[in-house]
Amino acid sequence: EVQLVQSGAEVKKPGESLKISCKGSGYSFTSYWIGWVRQMPGKGLEWMGIIYPGDSDTRYSPSFEGQVTISADKSISTAYLQWSSLKASDTAMYYCARRQDGYNSDYMDVWGKGTTVTVSS
Amino acid sequence: DIQMTQSPSSLSASVGDRVTITCRASQTISSYLNWYQQKPGKAPKLLIYAASSLQSGVPSRFSGSGSGTDFTLTISSLQPEDFATYYCQQSYGTPFTFGPGTKVDIK
Repeated sequence: EVQLVQSGAEVKKPGESLKISCKGSGYSFTSYWIGWVRQMPGKGLEWMGIIYPGDSDTRYSPSFEGQVTISADKSISTAYLQWSSLKASDTAMYYCARRQDGYNSDYMDVWGKGTTVTVSS
Repeated sequence: DIQMTQSPSSLSASVGDRVTITCRASQTISSYLNWYQQKPGKAPKLLIYAASSLQSGVPSRFSGSGSGTDFTLTISSLQPEDFATYYCQQSYGTPFTFGPGTKVDIK
């Protein structure tokens, strides 16, 4: 079964660092891009960026570039999203999803269950 | 960035109703348009990709149409499990932006 398993909920203070993970299984992890999507409380979905674990090629949304770092360790089939200094405004649910890009199509077909990040003093 | 808009932002409907949700892109995106369903507390689920292709396992009452800048998601006969929020997403160019969502609830 193809699945993405995300790390557990986090509660952090402003200024702290954090790295959350997304582990793929049931498919060739290095052959598909992994994307990250933010959902702030009560709000819609925001595309943050994607990484190709095969060569770590990474693309960011301008809204998130410089605010987070997306990385991957292909040896353990895991993608990461990290912050060096959290803000209260980073409080959100974060989803990872597998990107399926083919001829005339490009979509996110498998999603993790999400990681809740709460930043509060 | 390509901006996506959806209408309506919310709607109330009854079981058995035909429901149509519209999505518009700020520039042409060919058929690089996807639809997702999200229920409260759950991850989004892919329904339609490439504007009109039904994802495996998704009921045939869901259909998508459109190309260029204007797209439509139709639920032919609304079922109780379809009450959710629906998002369109363009995948023509990064960032792959989502629409603001359409919440479908029970009348």
